[in-house]
Amino acid sequence: AQSVAQPEDQVNVAEGNPLTVKCTYSVSGNPYLFWYVQYPNRGLQFLLKYITGDNLVKGSYGFEAEFNKSQTSFHLKKPSALVSDSALYFCAVRPKYSGAGSYQLTFGKGTKLSVIP
Amino acid sequence: SQTIHQWPATLVQPVGSPLSLECTVEGTSNPNLYWYRQAAGRGLQLLFYSVGIGQISSEVPQNLSASRPQDRQFILSSKKLLLSDSGFYLCAWRPKEAFFGQGTRLTVV
Repeated sequence: AQSVAQPEDQVNVAEGNPLTVKCTYSVSGNPYLFWYVQYPNRGLQFLLKYITGDNLVKGSYGFEAEFNKSQTSFHLKKPSALVSDSALYFCAVRPKYSGAGSYQLTFGKGTKLSVIP
Repeated sequence: SQTIHQWPATLVQPVGSPLSLECTVEGTSNPNLYWYRQAAGRGLQLLFYSVGIGQISSEVPQNLSASRPQDRQFILSSKKLLLSDSGFYLCAWRPKEAFFGQGTRLTVV
C-alpha cells in the first residue's frame, strides 16, 4: 500500500526567509508526486507535480519541489516566504502504473505553514 | 477550460436528516470523480470514486453513499445523518493531478 508522511504538523518561518515543507512517500514502482495548498474553508489548489524528468520541479507562486528517489522524498521549497503563503500544505502520491491502484491518490496529513511578518 | 463545481458551500443539518451534495464538472468528458472528507482541518480521507456513469467504488464503509447519474455529475448522499458525519467534504476531478471543488462544510447538529 502506498503512503505519504509529512513529519511536521506545523512549520514557522519568518517572512523573507527560505521555507521547506517535508514529504516522504512509499509507493510501488515509480511515483507521480504532487503538492497542494489549502486556504481556510476552501478546496485544495494544485501547486506542482513530478511526473518524470528533471528532479527539480517548479510550480505556482514561486514554489518548487525536489524529487529524491534514493531518499523517497519530495520536499516543497520556496526561496523567500511571504505572509500570504501561510496555509495548509498537502503532499500526495500515486503509482505511475495505470492499473487499478492508479486510482488511489494518497494524501499526507498536511503541514500548517505560518509565515511570521 | 475545465471547471468543477460543488455545492452548497455550507450546510447545517439535524441528526437523522437526509443529505445530498452535488458535484459537477464542465469542459471534459468521462472524468474520474472523487469524494473526500477532511476532518479537523487536516488529512483527506477518500470516500468514493467513480470512473463512469453508474460505477461507484467505496473506500470506507460508512453512513454515506454516492451515485453517478450523469457523466459529469457526482452526488454524495445519506439517508440519515450522524453527528460523526460532520466535516469538510471535497469533490475532485482527476486526470493526473486532482482538481478540487470549493468544498462543503457540513455540520450535523
